[in-house]
Amino acid sequence: AAGVIQSPRHLIKEKRETATLKCYPIPRHDTVYWYQQGPGQDPQFLISFYEKMQSDKGSIPDRFSAQQFSDYHSELNMSSLELGDSALYFCASSLALGQGVFGPGTRLTVL
Amino acid sequence: GESVGLHLPTLSVQEGDNSIINCAYSNSASDYFIWYKQESGKGPQFIIDIRSNMDKRQGQRVTVLLNKTVKHLSLQIAATQPGDSAVYFCAENRNSNSGYALNFGKGTSLLVTP
Repeated sequence: AAGVIQSPRHLIKEKRETATLKCYPIPRHDTVYWYQQGPGQDPQFLISFYEKMQSDKGSIPDRFSAQQFSDYHSELNMSSLELGDSALYFCASSLALGQGVFGPGTRLTVL
Repeated sequence: GESVGLHLPTLSVQEGDNSIINCAYSNSASDYFIWYKQESGKGPQFIIDIRSNMDKRQGQRVTVLLNKTVKHLSLQIAATQPGDSAVYFCAENRNSNSGYALNFGKGTSLLVTP
């Protein structure tokens, strides 16, 4: 069965650079949830989208923005990167704001 | 320099024994809870869920117990196997009006020894 696809799987950036993470939901899923997981930490909810509209907002920094496109894929844009942004970033997709299936994650390292 | 992450609580069990992993939650209004298994470098994997109108739910080798009085959740794994070694998280639904965005609890690392 098709799963959630995240790209890139690994990303290395310098401080103050920008990064864009992409999430491709399971086919026919219309909801995307984004989470950030620091080393040894629990996942923290960032933001979610349903039918291309923001549905909930968590602890997403102002330096980050996200959107969901007409094909339901979502992108998380991160600017002015800081060392503390180094983490695993997961997205989860679902149908109609349902319980999400998690993707494999993107590991972001900020040097 | 590199930040140091928190040391996770660790539960070490022998293969074949039963495991019990506990979780406390703070929001008495939470109406939905999930247990996830996370292997190193992978995304959280759904194990079992329970709604607040239930006290117990059973799956294959797993049971979740919910005690709303003390806001406590537990995951029981029967006949633990080496493949069960992972970090386990409980999670609660943030806001039932806006889907299934979750608040995760602190993980517990389960180590199964032969």
